[in-house]
Amino acid sequence: EVHLVESGGGLVQPGGSLRLSCAASGFTFSSYAMHWVRQAPGKGLEYVSGISSSGNSTYYADSVKGRFSISRDNSKNTLYLQMGSLRAEDMAVYYCARHNDDYDGVDCWGQGTLVTVSS
Amino acid sequence: SYELTQPPSVSVSPGQTARITCSGDALPKQYAYWYQQKPGQAPVLVIYKDSERPSGIPERFSGSSSGTIVTLTISGVQAEDEADYYCQSADSSGTRVFGGGTKLTVL
Repeated sequence: EVHLVESGGGLVQPGGSLRLSCAASGFTFSSYAMHWVRQAPGKGLEYVSGISSSGNSTYYADSVKGRFSISRDNSKNTLYLQMGSLRAEDMAVYYCARHNDDYDGVDCWGQGTLVTVSS
Repeated sequence: SYELTQPPSVSVSPGQTARITCSGDALPKQYAYWYQQKPGQAPVLVIYKDSERPSGIPERFSGSSSGTIVTLTISGVQAEDEADYYCQSADSSGTRVFGGGTKLTVL
């Protein structure tokens, strides 16, 4: 069974940094592109970042470009999101998501990890 | 930045047809995808590439595209279809974007 388990969320001050991790299991991680999607409390989904299966290509929403960095370690079946210069508007539940090439869409999501930005 | 526009809410009675629209300038050139999200749950892909249905998704879910507007249609709405629905596409550079979401209420 496919599992995506995020970790690393928590309370951080404005301007601070945080690294999220997503541990994948139940599938060949290195064969799938992956994404991060966030959802502020009571708000809609917002695309954050994506990375190709090899890690050679990365994509960012304008709202996080230059502040966030996505990466992956295929030997550890783990996806990362390094977040810096955090702002109040970055506060959200961050979901790790698997890209399905057949559908060209996300077919599996983690349970999410909450990032709170507050002084 | 690129935006996809959805109505905030749609209400229908059980058995009726619900239509949820999503508009965006790049939609004639970029595929659209639809996700269903129920409270406290992760989203589920219900339509991909404008009108294709993933395996396991009921046939009452369908999608269509016309110019700058894509539409998710749910025929014979059931109480279990009450959820938030999000369209997702990409801007001209290929960066993915979600619409603001539509809350479907089954009366």
